[in-house]
Amino acid sequence: DAGVIQSPRHEVTEMGQEVTLRCKPISGHDYLFWYRQTMMRGLELLIYFNNNVPIDDSGMPEDRFSAKMPNASFSTLKIQPSEPRDSAVYFCASSLAMGRLLDTQYFGPGTRLTVL
Amino acid sequence: AQTVTQSQPEMSVQEAETVTLSCTYDTSESDYYLFWYKQPPSRQMILVIRQEAYKQQNATENRFSVNFQKAAKSFSLKISDSQLGDAAMYFCAYRRGLGGSEKLVFGKGTKLTVNP
Repeated sequence: DAGVIQSPRHEVTEMGQEVTLRCKPISGHDYLFWYRQTMMRGLELLIYFNNNVPIDDSGMPEDRFSAKMPNASFSTLKIQPSEPRDSAVYFCASSLAMGRLLDTQYFGPGTRLTVL
Repeated sequence: AQTVTQSQPEMSVQEAETVTLSCTYDTSESDYYLFWYKQPPSRQMILVIRQEAYKQQNATENRFSVNFQKAAKSFSLKISDSQLGDAAMYFCAYRRGLGGSEKLVFGKGTKLTVNP
């Protein structure tokens, strides 16, 4: 399997612009997670989906952030409008639920976002 | 809320020696999972080892092993025969067990340097 795929790997944009980050989970995985990593706050969960349905979005910072999962093989995280404080590395991860044997989360390579 | 604490921001070890990274966590749950992830300079989050709380036996993966002390809520990672490729940030993470939230709660990380 190719693993979790994220695009773009790097994104540089100007304040006020819309940013869309993309993720393709591992085929067959039914959970998808979006995390953000900053020096100040470390790694924190933004939102996660189960079978394409958002389950917990309590980590989404504010209304400028939105996430969708239109099908089992694709998810987007959108920031509109972007601000310099959104600069971070954004990770997508996926996992497979098998009862008690809930599998490990496998991470993508991340998208480094810089908002100028 | 669950918290994960890594008290060592940085550690160093000589090549071929052994090093132990510390992690403590706080939870009122009895069923949960613990993980160590490695993040090399490439940014990719790589699973190193996992431990189910209901298992008394410490997990082992080749040169990596854990010392899981459930009563003390401690989960340390031991790396034996350290190699230059082990240099990375190491993150301890917690997840509730079956029926709980699927999100990972991460510690702040420990930066490991391996000296030749």
